[in-house]
Amino acid sequence: EAQVTQNPRYLITVTGKKLTVTCSQNMNHEYMSWYRQDPGLGLRQIYYSMNVEVTDKGDVPEGYKVSRKEKRNFPLILESPSPNQTSLYFCASSLRQGADEAFFGQGTRLTVV
Amino acid sequence: LAKTTQPISMDSYEGQEVNITCSHNNIATNDYITWYQQFPSQGPRFIIQGYKTKVTNEVASLFIPADRKSSTLSLPRVSLSDTAVYYCLALPYNFNKFYFGSGTKLNVKP
Repeated sequence: EAQVTQNPRYLITVTGKKLTVTCSQNMNHEYMSWYRQDPGLGLRQIYYSMNVEVTDKGDVPEGYKVSRKEKRNFPLILESPSPNQTSLYFCASSLRQGADEAFFGQGTRLTVV
Repeated sequence: LAKTTQPISMDSYEGQEVNITCSHNNIATNDYITWYQQFPSQGPRFIIQGYKTKVTNEVASLFIPADRKSSTLSLPRVSLSDTAVYYCLALPYNFNKFYFGSGTKLNVKP
């Protein structure tokens, strides 16, 4: 089954404790991206990747890092999480370009206390 | 990047046809119009994409007039399970940054 898998689904952590949210897709897609969703603000893009070793900033990249060492994986790294990063996070992938049909993961609800 | 404007919310009843209009007055020649559906606490799901005239799939129809300054997503005979937020995007095909906006919250009543 074609899918985008994020882990964990839920995470509560403390300020400053580094964490990684994993994202994996099994569709051989070139384009992958991360979003955060906050009430009243819609979905905002954090980072995206056009292919292996090619990443770029979205609209809200501050406080986040990403890497794309393999085509299927695109982890989101919070080096020093802060409470304002409490949010619902989604990973997505699409075949080539951003405008191709995007497939989203189930979401990761992160709480930073 | 073409700005899109949609109604914040709409109500409908089961069995009715629902039309959600999106305005994109400054759409560019190479922009495509794409609609996504999102249920609470789930990732958005692609519904339909088009460039001009009419596109239909098993889920919805997309109507785009000749001037392309607006588009209408049509959902035939909605059910309670169609209650969701619907996002309209107008992006160049080779664009790499997404902007989803706030979308239209559709509430289908029994």
